[in-house]
Amino acid sequence: GDSVTQMEGPVTLSEEAFLTINCTYTATGYPSLFWYVQYPGEGLQLLLKATKADDKGSNKGFEATYRKETTSFHLEKGSVQVSDSAVYFCALRRIGSEKLVFGKGMKLTVNP
Amino acid sequence: SQTIHQWPATLVQPVGSPLSLECTVEGTSNPNLYWYRQAAGRGLQLLFYSVGIGQISSEVPQNLSASRPQDRQFILSSKKLLLSDSGFYLCALDRGVYNEQFFGPGTRLTVL
Repeated sequence: GDSVTQMEGPVTLSEEAFLTINCTYTATGYPSLFWYVQYPGEGLQLLLKATKADDKGSNKGFEATYRKETTSFHLEKGSVQVSDSAVYFCALRRIGSEKLVFGKGMKLTVNP
Repeated sequence: SQTIHQWPATLVQPVGSPLSLECTVEGTSNPNLYWYRQAAGRGLQLLFYSVGIGQISSEVPQNLSASRPQDRQFILSSKKLLLSDSGFYLCALDRGVYNEQFFGPGTRLTVL
């Protein structure tokens, strides 16, 4: 079945550090890929998405590129801020499927 | 734009007591609706989803049940809560061409 594997952390970084969160997936066909962010005490918010190979999703300084050859969708940010402290989830959804498949989430803490 | 309301925001219940969590949505009609649970320090677990009134699909066997009495109302229930039912319960709906999911603010349930 479909699955998503991501770094679980937790990870602690200093402000302005570079961030990479690895995400790889297994799926039949050509899924859409997503990164969600969950700030403390809140629901999940869509951070970015990519719907086909080589697409790059970007938002709030975060980027991720849909790599079909490596079945990956790694999340990157060049300079993290304290306000980026949150849990990050990678997810996929196959066309026609009624379900989103999530990774286990990674908690990021950014210290000033 | 779409809005999800979840009620109550927080709840503390004794073991063995009944449960009813409500999710109502605005700004859309006939949405696919989802219930997720997030236990402390763990990822998201899909509990139920519904593609229409009276249509419920269960993802994992448990002592919870769901109902969809109206197009924009999704209810999560239990007759007798267990300690393991504690967690953060999130309601979500499908949105957009690629069916990214939009999440509500969540209900934090503590079973004592």
